[in-house]
Amino acid sequence: RKEVEQDPGPFNVPEGATVAFNCTYSNSASQSFFWYRQDCRKEPKLLMSVYSSGNEDGRFTAQLNRASQYISLLIRDSKLSDSATYLCVVKAAGNKLTFGGGTRVLVKP
Amino acid sequence: DAGVTQSPTHLIKTRGQHVTLRCSPISGHKSVSWYQQVLGQGPQFIFQYYEKEERGRGNFPDRFSARQFPNYSSELNVNALLLGDSALYLCASSLWGGGTGANVLTFGAGSRLTVL
Repeated sequence: RKEVEQDPGPFNVPEGATVAFNCTYSNSASQSFFWYRQDCRKEPKLLMSVYSSGNEDGRFTAQLNRASQYISLLIRDSKLSDSATYLCVVKAAGNKLTFGGGTRVLVKP
Repeated sequence: DAGVTQSPTHLIKTRGQHVTLRCSPISGHKSVSWYQQVLGQGPQFIFQYYEKEERGRGNFPDRFSARQFPNYSSELNVNALLLGDSALYLCASSLWGGGTGANVLTFGAGSRLTVL
């Protein structure tokens, strides 16, 4: 089983709609969680950290479910510019950050 | 302030050759990590360095090696290149320690390696 798993998508989303997707992790001792965004042929960039109580950053909401070992990302009022691959990142013990395979989101007019 | 810089940006090699990729971290960042990203997949951890010492290693063969210099820049070396080594090699810098900053990676634009 992979340490961090994501639905590769693509999620085809009408502009203005809401989209949500999850990421599961296998190590119950994982301590920190993040979402990174990667545009086509570009480097990943931090979108947001994921806190235990859940957190929002504008149109983006991240949730953590430790009991079921998954994190989620919800995007409200999708914009064309939200089209990207969203990478789930998990940190277990030590300083190694493990990336999921990414979920591709395509926002269409 | 300059971000993370990597060189070269693109390179083409043939099987069996050797390659050296270079990375300069953000000023003030003392930790450098290397990732391999094959097309269509997420980045895979190769190495992490801090204060010139290896602090973490991913599941890669011994053909892969790296080092960090006193100015915190880093090199990734790959020997005896295989077709499967074709990928985007990403360098990321970060702070070090238990604080939040140590968890945030800032990536360079990557070095795209093609092995023929």
